[in-house]
Amino acid sequence: GAVVSQHPSWVICKSGTSVKIECRSLDFQATTMFWYRQFPKQSLMLMATSNEGSKATYEQGVEKDKFLINHASLTLSTLTVTSAHPEDSSFYICSAVAGGRSTREQYFGPGTRLTVT
Amino acid sequence: GENVEQHPSTLSVQEGDSAVIKCTYSDSASNYFPWYKQELGKRPQLIIDIRSNVGEKKDQRIAVTLNKTAKHFSLHITETQPEDSAVYFCAGSTGGYNKLIFGAGTRLAVHP
Repeated sequence: GAVVSQHPSWVICKSGTSVKIECRSLDFQATTMFWYRQFPKQSLMLMATSNEGSKATYEQGVEKDKFLINHASLTLSTLTVTSAHPEDSSFYICSAVAGGRSTREQYFGPGTRLTVT
Repeated sequence: GENVEQHPSTLSVQEGDSAVIKCTYSDSASNYFPWYKQELGKRPQLIIDIRSNVGEKKDQRIAVTLNKTAKHFSLHITETQPEDSAVYFCAGSTGGYNKLIFGAGTRLAVHP
């Protein structure tokens, strides 16, 4: 149990276009989802916290108009990178916390590798 | 906000030796400290976690210790094996949303 999927697993897009990444909890309801960005050989940097039915909370330095997050249901959150540029190329990983459980474990998705040309 | 520092950045050991990775945190309100193992290009996997009301937790070859007064926690891996080679991240969490702040990571290499 507690499986999180992401789609797509990798994507290549041209500079100036937008890309949407989906994060789904497959066998549990996720009251909270998180989006991270990871550059090569670096740590996971939290971008935003997403709660179902409410606006996402962005970390300092993360442009909310560039990284649009929508948590439309208890099993789906999406991250849209708008007007992507080469510096946005990175590994984007989501995680989810199961609602109604005592555990605080975050279940991570497999990640999406974005390359902007 | 929370800041988590992790040392060392790289660690090389011989198979069968022990490995220790240390982290310090800044926010005294942090109360949950997980450790993740990440292999290249893959998702982080939780290997052990500890809450602030516990000083030590062990799971087979892996143990974590927490010193709340000093605000540091450590990961101990005994009898290391080549398959333990990966990047290990510590993290601290505080607040109702379980937000995690990660350390910079430790690249562990276990040589046969």
